[in-house]
Formats: sequence, structure tokens, C-alpha cells
Amino acid sequence: QKEVEQNSGPLSVPEGAIASLNCTYSDRGSQSFFWYRQYSGKSPELIMFIYSNGDKEDGRFTAQLNKASQYVSLLIRDSQPSDSATYLCAVLGSNDYKLSFGAGTTVTVRA
Amino acid sequence: DTAVSQTPKYLVTQMGNDKSIKCEQNLGHDTMYWYKQDSKKFLKIMFSYNNKELIINETVPNRFSPKSPDKAHLNLHINSLELGDSAVYFCASSKRLANEQFFGPGTRLTVL
Repeated sequence: QKEVEQNSGPLSVPEGAIASLNCTYSDRGSQSFFWYRQYSGKSPELIMFIYSNGDKEDGRFTAQLNKASQYVSLLIRDSQPSDSATYLCAVLGSNDYKLSFGAGTTVTVRA
Repeated sequence: DTAVSQTPKYLVTQMGNDKSIKCEQNLGHDTMYWYKQDSKKFLKIMFSYNNKELIINETVPNRFSPKSPDKAHLNLHINSLELGDSAVYFCASSKRLANEQFFGPGTRLTVL
């Protein structure tokens, strides 16, 4: 079983719609969760982090965490063509402080 | 600019050669990392140093040797390069071990 799994892409959404990205993880003790955005040929860029159950909003981005279900998600509201990228879910290991990444979900926003 | 920087950006070399990649951060962070992103875009931790001490050493060939001369620098030396070493190598840093990590621009290594 992979440590961090993301919903397989690619995900295509029309401009102005909500893009919903999902991630599950296997380490039940993990406390820190991150979403990175990676444009093609560029480095991962941190866009959100979340430590507590519930929702965390930052601009058009909302991260949701449910530790009991071992599930973290990212919503992108009012999607723009500039949001077209690969989104990586990352989970910090509870014992070893290793950041494990999912395989990424590629999002394309259609103008 | 405050950032994580890496040199070189591109590295093309022959099999069997030895090469180094350098990383520097001016963010005042205590912890630095090396990641490898393969052709399938999967990002995987290789090494981590915290205050110049090696704390994460994943199962990578011992041809890969990290060195941290001080908290702001983390270099990666690779001996006897193989075709399978071709990838993008990212350096990252964080304030402390469990904090969010910030990535450098990456070094695209191509072994011919």
C-alpha cells in the first residue's frame, strides 16, 4: 500500500468551477499535511499546510483534514487557467519526519 | 532575494563520471533536504540534515554522498554516474524538522 495516494488525474475543469483534489494516507499518527503546486518544469511550491481537523481557507484554496478517515483534500474555487498544474499532497511521517509525497494530480483549467 | 538556490540548473554528463550539485539557502533555516524526482514525476526524499547533522538517509546507493559544511549549505556528490541517475534533484529547506519545506529550482541531471 502506498503511503500517500491521490485521486488519479488528469482533472479537467472549466474556468470558474471548483476543482476538488483528494488524498489519503497510511500513517495514522501523522499530524502535518501539505499541498504543493508544481508547474511543468518548475519546482514544487507550497500553497497550503494544515495540522488540525476541519477546514483551512487561504484565498481561493481550502484544505480539509479528517484524521479519523486519514483523508486530506484541497478545493480550488473559481479556478483560473493559471491554476493548471500538478498538485502534490505531502504527509509528514509521525516517527521519522520524512515528507512522503503522493504521485500528484494534474489539473487543467479550460478557458 | 531570500530563497533556496541550486547550481547547476542543468547537468549533462557521461556514465561513470563524478559530479556535484550545490545548494544554498539564505532563509536562516536549520534543516535541509535532497529529493529526487524521476521521469514519472514521483518525488522522493534522499537525505536530510538538521544543524549539519545527517538525520534522514534513505536507501540510496552509496555512490550518493551528501555534505553539509554549514547550516546554509548542502551539497550532493555522485560517484560513478549511471543511466538510472538521470532525474531532477531538488534541494529544500525548513525552519525546523517538522515545519513546511521550501524547494530550490532543481537540477536536471542527464546521464548519457
